[in-house]
Amino acid sequence: DADVTQTPRNRITKTGKRIMLECSQTKGHDRMYWYRQDPGLGLRLIYYSFDVKDINKGEISDGYSVSRQAQAKFSLSLESAIPNQTALYFCATSGTRGGSYEQYFGPGTRLTVT
Amino acid sequence: GESVGLHLPTLSVQEGDNSIINCAYSNSASDYFIWYKQESGKGPQFIIDIRSNMDKRQGQRVTVLLNKTVKHLSLQIAATQPGDSAVYFCAENKETGANNLFFGTGTRLTVIP
Repeated sequence: DADVTQTPRNRITKTGKRIMLECSQTKGHDRMYWYRQDPGLGLRLIYYSFDVKDINKGEISDGYSVSRQAQAKFSLSLESAIPNQTALYFCATSGTRGGSYEQYFGPGTRLTVT
Repeated sequence: GESVGLHLPTLSVQEGDNSIINCAYSNSASDYFIWYKQESGKGPQFIIDIRSNMDKRQGQRVTVLLNKTVKHLSLQIAATQPGDSAVYFCAENKETGANNLFFGTGTRLTVIP
């Protein structure tokens, strides 16, 4: 089974709808992240959480919100989706041991807002 | 704009040749760098990382070189194989001791059989 899972894998929605993307991990990591990926722009950080009670904005948090329901779960919401939020969304996790900042990524959610 | 960037957006190499993917960074406070590989339809996958107290680190068929003087990072892949075809991203932490990563725009590597 995958260590980091995302649901749904694909979603098409209309402008103005509320959408939630979910992420679960079995790695036991404290830190979780949400990124979006657009062609030619690489990965940009939306929100991150270092533990259940710690939520921080990333580079591009406007229009998004998150919830850390448990150590293993971190969800991303688009309160009122707009077409320029069409992108590939990735969840990632990282641990705090060994001095490595390696992040483990999920398979991604492809979101299309029409 | 992004402080982490790549000199070449695409790179084509013959199977069996060595590949070199380059990355420039502008933040001298970065003390951690990492390379990821992303295959089509998948999430990024860790390749290798390096701290700023090192100039070189080797993995299996891959080597990362760090030149802090010119703020340059490179990924060398030996004996490139068709399975190496992917987009490669470098990332830096931008702040000494920081955990967050900032990604470059990526280089697409195509291996010609």
